[in-house]
Amino acid sequence: GAVVSQHPSRVICKSGTSVKIECRSLDFQARTMFWYRQFPKQSLMLMATSNEGSKATYEQGVEKDKFLINHASLTLSTLTVTSAHPEDSSFYICSARAGEGQPQHFGDGTRLSIL
Amino acid sequence: GDSVTQMEGPVTLSEEAFLTINCTYTATGYPSLFWYVQYPGEGLQLLLKATKADDKGSNKGFEATYRKETTSFHLEKGSVQVSDSAVYFCALLIGTGANNLFFGTGTRLTVIP
Repeated sequence: GAVVSQHPSRVICKSGTSVKIECRSLDFQARTMFWYRQFPKQSLMLMATSNEGSKATYEQGVEKDKFLINHASLTLSTLTVTSAHPEDSSFYICSARAGEGQPQHFGDGTRLSIL
Repeated sequence: GDSVTQMEGPVTLSEEAFLTINCTYTATGYPSLFWYVQYPGEGLQLLLKATKADDKGSNKGFEATYRKETTSFHLEKGSVQVSDSAVYFCALLIGTGANNLFFGTGTRLTVIP
């Protein structure tokens, strides 16, 4: 089946640094990618939707200047957490979809810990 | 609005026990329904799905039937294994436009030997 690779799987960094997370679709072209955040023992919260070649659409309450999303190609989207703080520590999951009406395929997630 | 209500956990069962995780939904249209599974430290994997009323999705011994009359999509397995320990998410997809995949809060299942 379709594979989505997310990297890194885990990152620990100091407060104030920026962290980039990559999401790649390995065997299909993903016109749309989604970024979710998952708090402990909670469900996934959609942060933003990105379409290849255009600006991401952010959900209400998500700071677009803090969570920079780039979807420059049909196989790669990146999420950059800028000036990260401990409250940004979370599990971030991406998903990718070939087109409208197609299923979403999820990456394995990135556990971000800000010290 | 569109939403999913899922049975709260955690659920702890002995190996070979019968599993039911309840899921009900509210939708303005005709959604597709999904169960996703998340193993420890991993992302979500699609477990099964049903796209219209009375459809039954099945995979790895798990089953769920799309019941329009009760707006439900309960997950069942006749005999659980330790390897089934994970978090299970019910989700609905409505329409084909921008992201419209709504997740339930998840149910943590622990199966003990």
